Amino acid sequence: SQTIHQWPATLVQPVGSPLSLECTVEGTSNPNLYWYRQAAGRGLQLLFYSVGIGQISSEVPQNLSASRPQDRQFILSSKKLLLSDSGFYLCAWNKGKNIQYFGAGTRLSVL
Amino acid sequence: GNSVTQMEGPVTLSEEAFLTINCTYTATGYPSLFWYVQYPGEGLQLLLKATKADDKGSNKGFEATYRKETTSFHLEKGSVQVSDSAVYFCALSGGNTGFQKLVFGTGTRLLVSP
Repeated sequence: SQTIHQWPATLVQPVGSPLSLECTVEGTSNPNLYWYRQAAGRGLQLLFYSVGIGQISSEVPQNLSASRPQDRQFILSSKKLLLSDSGFYLCAWNKGKNIQYFGAGTRLSVL
Repeated sequence: GNSVTQMEGPVTLSEEAFLTINCTYTATGYPSLFWYVQYPGEGLQLLLKATKADDKGSNKGFEATYRKETTSFHLEKGSVQVSDSAVYFCALSGGNTGFQKLVFGTGTRLLVSP
């Protein structure tokens, strides 16, 4: 069966520090991968998606970037975090079906 | 563009009460509609879905009917339990959004007390 892993589960970082969040999927190949953010008191916003290795599409301009160095690995990064980057980050995947499967999320606090 | 509008929360109910969470959407074409649930401290899980007009999605006692004429997909449950306390998200995909991209509502928090 397929599983999706995200880490770390929680992260506290100072303003201006770098960020790297990792997501991996097991049990499938060439999935579509997604990064979402859920800011406090707000809904989910799609940040990036990827349909293959090295292929990244950005949905909103921001201080973040994404990369897909391997087929089942999706990384969310920032060179310098802002206070407004705080939130709950969710990775998701799908393949073929019109259903997305989500990881457990990373709660990021930028102080 | 495509959008989803959900009722504001939190919704506070006593155990065994009837639940309705309203969801309406704006989309071109024929989107698929979803309800996702997020339990405390966890990611999202698909609760139910409907892919065409008049379809009814159902799971764990929850139901929602795809109403194209009113562009709605309201979530209902006849008798809620404390364990149903969570945040519920309505979402759509398809149409102008593109097959693989989900557009979410802002979420509605449900609190069920014993």
